[in-house]
Amino acid sequence: GAGVSQSPSNKVTEKGKDVELRCDPISGHTALYWYRQRLGQGLEFLIYFQGNSAPDKSGLPSDRFSAERTGESVSTLTIQRTQQEDSAVYLCASSLSATNEKLFFGSGTQLSVL
Amino acid sequence: DAKTTQPNSMESNEEEPVHLPCNHSTISGTDYIHWYRQLPSQGPEYVIHGLTSNVNNRMASLAIAEDRKSSTLILHRATLRDAAVYYCILRRRGSEKLVFGKGTKLTVNP
Repeated sequence: GAGVSQSPSNKVTEKGKDVELRCDPISGHTALYWYRQRLGQGLEFLIYFQGNSAPDKSGLPSDRFSAERTGESVSTLTIQRTQQEDSAVYLCASSLSATNEKLFFGSGTQLSVL
Repeated sequence: DAKTTQPNSMESNEEEPVHLPCNHSTISGTDYIHWYRQLPSQGPEYVIHGLTSNVNNRMASLAIAEDRKSSTLILHRATLRDAAVYYCILRRRGSEKLVFGKGTKLTVNP
């Protein structure tokens, strides 16, 4: 597709379960970002991948959160033992390079933890 | 990252110009000024960015104060589709990540 694709678009889970969120970046984009957006709030940076370099994990809120990316393709964000405070929209973005100015965002995954 | 300050909300009428202000008094010489907007139920989209000079593109204009401590995003003729949250962000040259604040919620009245 032409844009950043995220799946699922909506995820409802029970407290304590693990969830996996997927992001397909725009083809050829070497940089990939994950953000979290709680209801009515701004975007909170989580993690950043650039090519084969070590990811910048400085925004991950706890060790229950992890993310992987294979090469310059798909990324998965995993949340283990979900808590109600994890409920949010999780947004993925990609850009041509680390220093490229424009980020292209997907529509996000709405995660609801009951 | 240096901080930006924006009004929480603004209102405009359709087909009128809109000036969205942003203060960034602690900006450094290598900070670029970026604007993104987020329409309801969508991810943010890039609007415009600049360093020192005013910038124009098909979406908007960016006016940067001479001392660079403030900037204004200008929508020349607001449409209902321009109703969104507008984020003003400083990005240091060579910095990988964008740090978003709460932005300005723009309401456009018909």
